[in-house]
Amino acid sequence: GENVEQHPSTLSVQEGDSAVIKCTYSDSASNYFPWYKQELGKRPQLIIDIRSNVGEKKDQRIAVTLNKTAKHFSLHITETQPEDSAVYFCAASKGFQKLVFGTGTRLLVSP
Amino acid sequence: NAGVTQTPKFQVLKTGQSMTLQCAQDMNHNSMYWYRQDPGMGLRLIYYSASEGTTDKGEVPNGYNVSRLNKREFSLRLESAAPSQTSVYFCASSPGQPNTEAFFGQGTRLTVV
Repeated sequence: GENVEQHPSTLSVQEGDSAVIKCTYSDSASNYFPWYKQELGKRPQLIIDIRSNVGEKKDQRIAVTLNKTAKHFSLHITETQPEDSAVYFCAASKGFQKLVFGTGTRLLVSP
Repeated sequence: NAGVTQTPKFQVLKTGQSMTLQCAQDMNHNSMYWYRQDPGMGLRLIYYSASEGTTDKGEVPNGYNVSRLNKREFSLRLESAAPSQTSVYFCASSPGQPNTEAFFGQGTRLTVV
């Protein structure tokens, strides 16, 4: 089955810096790659997703890139703010099948 | 719009006790899921239901059973709770079409002593 690895497990940046979180997946048939943000004590919520027919997607300060050949995808956050502090999860799935999540990255943005 | 609702929010069980976690969604979604979240382990799938009347095992099904009662409701049962089942449990739902967002409930924090 699908296996998703996520790095780093923790990431500390200064406010205004950029943050990059990377994930690799094992199943070349996976075609949907969402990113979820989970604030402390809250439920995970989708922040951006990308499908396998697209190489990059942007939404304001957030972007996701996908390299199907290398089977990895990354989340980029520019101009980080303290409210970006949270745990971020990547995930992968194919077709109708279940999402498989990475182990999460705790992002800390210091003022 | 309630989305995905889980009950209870907190629960403490003694080893060997049983309980059922309830989940209901009002978005007319076909697929529903149960995940557990442990520190450093991410979200691991316990069971899922692709559509009403079907259920399948996920990554960590041992010690759990599920029931898809109808399209809205998907319950998770612990028959004989063990300390290793101490975790935060999330229910989620999605439309079931390819490549669509999963919506999560607020979670149930379960402690087994």
